Amino acid sequence: KAGVTQTPRYLIKTRGQQVTLSCSPISGHRSVSWYQQTPGQGLQFLFEYFSETQRNKGNFPGRFSGRQFSNSRSEMNVSTLELGDSALYLCASSLPDTTGELFFGEGSRLTVL
Amino acid sequence: AQTVTQSQPEMSVQEAETVTLSCTYDTSESNYYLFWYKQPPSRQMILVIRQEAYKQQNATENRFSVNFQKAAKSFSLKISDSQLGDTAMYFCAFNMNNFGNEKLTFGTGTRLTIIP
Repeated sequence: KAGVTQTPRYLIKTRGQQVTLSCSPISGHRSVSWYQQTPGQGLQFLFEYFSETQRNKGNFPGRFSGRQFSNSRSEMNVSTLELGDSALYLCASSLPDTTGELFFGEGSRLTVL
Repeated sequence: AQTVTQSQPEMSVQEAETVTLSCTYDTSESNYYLFWYKQPPSRQMILVIRQEAYKQQNATENRFSVNFQKAAKSFSLKISDSQLGDTAMYFCAFNMNNFGNEKLTFGTGTRLTIIP
């Protein structure tokens, strides 16, 4: 069974631009969540989607948004990029159960210049 | 809000030795899950072990075991017979046992290095 796939793996943007990251969950997983990982702030929860609906949202500005499609694939978008948005963005998927276990992708490393 | 604290930013041990990583957490919930995730250098994060708060028995997975002290809100990970492949960042994480709340709260991580 294929794991969680994130694209692109690496990208470089300049301040003020926007970026879209994509995540394909494990087949059968309906929940997709996103995390931002930085050396200073660690792993922080961005948002979580289930059946195309955002169920939970972390404490990030409105420049960070996401969506989920009917096939459970998800995208996140960051507009008006700032230097501080440089990070590893991790996507994780999970079954619709209560085990709490998340399966992570390898991440998309964003560098903002 | 839940918090997770890992007080050991870095640790190193000789191959084949036993090492224990510490984690404490704070929550007012009574039913939840605790996890240890491993993130090898430049590789994806994977689950090492999971503990359900309502189970008193400590979870074990081969060389990995936990010491879960619910009253003390402590959740340490013991790695026995450590191997070079255990070198990684280890994150302690908390999740409420609540379908519809797939959100992990992570600690800051412990960088573990296994020395040959």
